[in-house]
Amino acid sequence: GAVVSQHPSRVICKSGTSVKIECRSLDFQATTMFWYRQFPKQSLMLMATSNEGSKATYEQGVEKDKFLINHASLTLSTLTVTSAHPEDSSFYICSALGEYGYTFGSGTRLTVV
Amino acid sequence: GDSVTQMEGPVTLSEEAFLTINCTYTATGYPSLFWYVQYPGEGLQLLLKATKADDKGSNKGFEATYRKETTSFHLEKGSVQVSDSAVYFCALRGGSQGNLIFGKGTKLSVKP
Repeated sequence: GAVVSQHPSRVICKSGTSVKIECRSLDFQATTMFWYRQFPKQSLMLMATSNEGSKATYEQGVEKDKFLINHASLTLSTLTVTSAHPEDSSFYICSALGEYGYTFGSGTRLTVV
Repeated sequence: GDSVTQMEGPVTLSEEAFLTINCTYTATGYPSLFWYVQYPGEGLQLLLKATKADDKGSNKGFEATYRKETTSFHLEKGSVQVSDSAVYFCALRGGSQGNLIFGKGTKLSVKP
């Protein structure tokens, strides 16, 4: 079946540094990649949508200069949290849309100290 | 805009009990509906889905029927197991980007 590999699964970084999260579709082409953020005991909130080779579309209230999304190929999308602060600590999940429908990565737990 | 409302948890049941998690939606038209399950520390896994009215999705003993009259997609299982303990999300495909819109999730704990 369809698999999306998301790395790292956990990362702790210092305030002010940047963190890159990768999502790879292993056996299918992801025409669209969705990036979600999940707060404790809350639902997944869509941050942005990216299509291969074009600029990402960000949801209202999401800082595009802070959350950089790159979708350079049909199998790879990255989310970079720049100048991270403690309030960016959260669980980030990618979701790839392809021939198998929506496939989710296993998530990245980001802790900014 | 489109939205999903599901019953708040946590829900605690004994093994072999009957499970119902309510989910209702607001949307334009008839979107595809989904149930996802999230085990601790993991991403979301598709549990079942239905793409049109009166469709019944089923998987691993779980079922949900797409009811357009009541705009509902309630999740049911006749006999839960400890291994069913997880967070369950109801979702619809309806975002402007073709994304899924999720309910807040319902945490289920099954005790032996």
